[in-house]
Amino acid sequence: SYELTQPPSVSVSPGQTVSISCSGDKLGNKYVCWYQKKPGQSPVVVISQNTRRPSGIPERFSGSKSGNTATLTISGTQAMDEADYYCQAWDSGTVVFGGGTKLTVL
Amino acid sequence: QVQLVQSGAEVKKPGASVKVSCKASGYTFTSYDINWVRQATGRGLEWVGWMNPNSGHTAYAQKFQGRVTMTRDTSISTAYMELSSLKSEDTAVYYCARDGGYGPGSGFDPWGQGTLVTVSS
Repeated sequence: SYELTQPPSVSVSPGQTVSISCSGDKLGNKYVCWYQKKPGQSPVVVISQNTRRPSGIPERFSGSKSGNTATLTISGTQAMDEADYYCQAWDSGTVVFGGGTKLTVL
Repeated sequence: QVQLVQSGAEVKKPGASVKVSCKASGYTFTSYDINWVRQATGRGLEWVGWMNPNSGHTAYAQKFQGRVTMTRDTSISTAYMELSSLKSEDTAVYYCARDGGYGPGSGFDPWGQGTLVTVSS
């Protein structure tokens, strides 16, 4: 079955820039979305279609892709950005999530 | 505004079935696919399956094939997910989520508030 690989955790100081990677076989040919998940809340899409930022998502969130690796970048990270982040892609008509990355804002 | 409201928490015994509802409002129910995703405590997001509310067509994750059924009642703009032969490992928060609706790769937006399903003897 298809797999997406993310680092389990990353940390960043407030105001700094942090990137979270997501890799998968032939990911370059697939659309990637990113979700923010905070405890007790429903997930929120922060990036869709690899690079699109939905309405209401702050400009500090951006997405990119190079080869088979997609990247979520948060610029000027704020304390409120501390959360779990999941990448997601489609493969053969099914949906796959990465294992998630816990972002800690120190 | 576009909203998905799910049914309340459930407690079930192993081997039983559970049916979770997801009522849509603020948009044309039959125009957007509905996905179901779950998260067990301390675990990641896991896709359960997808339904087209217009046609009723479904696709399920292989892990749940034979145990999950997704249906809808278009007269009340409500989608349902039924999971049978419940095991303790099915204890999780189950979410419904609408397709973003702007083409391939739209992502899921919005999401329901989640329904906690607890499987315990």
